[in-house]
Amino acid sequence: DTAVSQTPKYLVTQMGNDKSIKCEQNLGHDTMYWYKQDSKKFLKIMFSYNNKELIINETVPNRFSPKSPDKAHLNLHINSLELGDSAVYFCASSPLIAGGSEQFFGPGTRLTVL
Amino acid sequence: AQSVTQLDSHVSVSEGTPVLLRCNYSSSYSPSLFWYVQHPNKGLQLLLKYTSAATLVKGINGFEAEFKKSETSFHLTKPSAHMSDAAEYFCVVSNAGNNRKLIWGLGTSLAVNP
Repeated sequence: DTAVSQTPKYLVTQMGNDKSIKCEQNLGHDTMYWYKQDSKKFLKIMFSYNNKELIINETVPNRFSPKSPDKAHLNLHINSLELGDSAVYFCASSPLIAGGSEQFFGPGTRLTVL
Repeated sequence: AQSVTQLDSHVSVSEGTPVLLRCNYSSSYSPSLFWYVQHPNKGLQLLLKYTSAATLVKGINGFEAEFKKSETSFHLTKPSAHMSDAAEYFCVVSNAGNNRKLIWGLGTSLAVNP
């Protein structure tokens, strides 16, 4: 199936731990993103990579570090997890289209920090 | 700068009645506009998009939206609501630059009553 996939789907961990979320897209898109969705459903862009190059880096604590080994993968590593990091994290990708920039989303990773 | 405002945080309709979800945008040039839907505990799915072609855009599941430049609006409508339409709906505007950044509304939660 052509899609954006994320692993794991659920992640429960203790404060202070380090964790990673992986994302892969087989749509052949050039650009990938990480979003954070809080409990009020607000979606906040965190990072965007185009062809393995960082192009958007919003105000995110430097405990969050994205890594793109190739244009089909964008992983998110989080150090020293805090309670406020609990959220759903979505990966997305988009093709290089002039004008519109429709994004295709993964199913989300629900992170719970205890 | 671009922005998007969803005028209602919650909308409740009865099954079989029309749906209207309101969205106003602000953009200094011709924007691309999108509506995304998020069903409970699911990822985000594109409903429809406007990219400077026809002003009345038809999407999936019987939804449509009309781009009205004079009113800076992009309201989402459906003639007859179905129980399966209950979800969170996001209006989104895209900038035209190369960083593929989407500006997200805060969402409208649609409830469909039997």
